[in-house]
Amino acid sequence: AQKVTQAQTEISVVEKEDVTLDCVYETRDTTYYLFWYKQPPSGELVFLIRRNSFDEQNEISGRYSWNFQKSTSSFNFTITASQVVDSAVYFCALVTYSGAGSYQLTFGKGTKLSVIP
Amino acid sequence: DVKVTQSSRYLVKRTGEKVFLECVQDMDHENMFWYRQDPGLGLRLIYFSYDVKMKEKGDIPEGYSVSREKKERFSLILESASTNQTSMYLCASSPGLSDTQYFGPGTRLTVL
Repeated sequence: AQKVTQAQTEISVVEKEDVTLDCVYETRDTTYYLFWYKQPPSGELVFLIRRNSFDEQNEISGRYSWNFQKSTSSFNFTITASQVVDSAVYFCALVTYSGAGSYQLTFGKGTKLSVIP
Repeated sequence: DVKVTQSSRYLVKRTGEKVFLECVQDMDHENMFWYRQDPGLGLRLIYFSYDVKMKEKGDIPEGYSVSREKKERFSLILESASTNQTSMYLCASSPGLSDTQYFGPGTRLTVL
């Protein structure tokens, strides 16, 4: 069975601080897909990033960056210079799919980020 | 923009009632999903559908069934609602099973 662990249940930071949200995953498949989603207080999940297991390149998008390390089975998410609008619950997710009947999707339990002005 | 809509934002039902939650997507996606979200448990997959009339069980299908008669519409059915099915229900769609999912706003269901 696969697993996604977001060990940080809640994090509070002061505005403009940097913050890293951890995601550790477990799977026996060699092909898999990792995602981060944001759930603001309004409730609707918003896609942030998708990575496949063959692409270990780190990615930066504005104040957001992601560090994918297969050696440690981690896919961590960093927000630089945090803002109040970053306050949300962030979910990491793992998908494995190698043909009919093999689909598995697992979400982590989420990390609630509060950015204090 | 992809749009996923759910029939109700809030719903209150009584124990034993049959409950229908409807989800519609407008982007011709092949795949649709139903989740429930509970505090401290994250999102858990109930059922998904990869084609019209095709469905597969997720991690927690007990007490639920689904229907997909048209590509754009995916219904979650609680045959006999129970209080432990009080939860937030989220619907999503995606073009491929390993692709990004697009979520609806959710239905908060309370079973009394």
